[in-house]
Amino acid sequence: SQKIEQNSEALNIQEGKTATLTCNYTNYSPAYLQWYRQDPGRGPVFLLLIRENEKEKRKERLKVTFDTTLKQSLFHITASQPADSATYLCALDFRGSQGNLIFGKGTKLSVKP
Amino acid sequence: SQTIHQWPATLVQPVGSPLSLECTVEGTSNPNLYWYRQAAGRGLQLLFYSVGIGQISSEVPQNLSASRPQDRQFILSSKKLLLSDSGFYLCAWLTSGTDTQYFGPGTRLTVL
Repeated sequence: SQKIEQNSEALNIQEGKTATLTCNYTNYSPAYLQWYRQDPGRGPVFLLLIRENEKEKRKERLKVTFDTTLKQSLFHITASQPADSATYLCALDFRGSQGNLIFGKGTKLSVKP
Repeated sequence: SQTIHQWPATLVQPVGSPLSLECTVEGTSNPNLYWYRQAAGRGLQLLFYSVGIGQISSEVPQNLSASRPQDRQFILSSKKLLLSDSGFYLCAWLTSGTDTQYFGPGTRLTVL
């Protein structure tokens, strides 16, 4: 069965630096991969989606890469701010499903001022 | 615009008691609807999904059940709660033909 791993449970960085979060998967390559942000006690919020034929996607200070050879996605936050502190979830599609997703356990990012 | 509601926001129930959590979506029609559970230190676990009224698919065998009595209403139920049912329950929706799920605010359930 498909497995998805976010390598770090927690990541601490200094304000202004670039945060890089990793998401790896096994078995089949997903048609797309998504990143979500979750704040404590709240539901996840969609950030970015990248498809299997895309190498990179950007949105403001966020950048996502997708390497189907390495079976890996990297999520970057440039010029990080304390307000970026949250848990970031990686999710990929169930091949053949109707929009169903498999989620990683998440990486808790803390940006220190 | 679309919004999703869940209630209650928090719930404390004794072991063996019944459960009913409700999720409603506004501003869209015929969405796919999902129930997830997020236990402490664990990822989001898909419990049920529905592609239409009365159509429910279960991903994990358990003492929970789901129903979709109306197009934009999704209910999670249990006849007898277990301690292991404690967690953060999230409802999500997706418009058919798109790939992004949108989550509700969640219900924090504690079973004592």
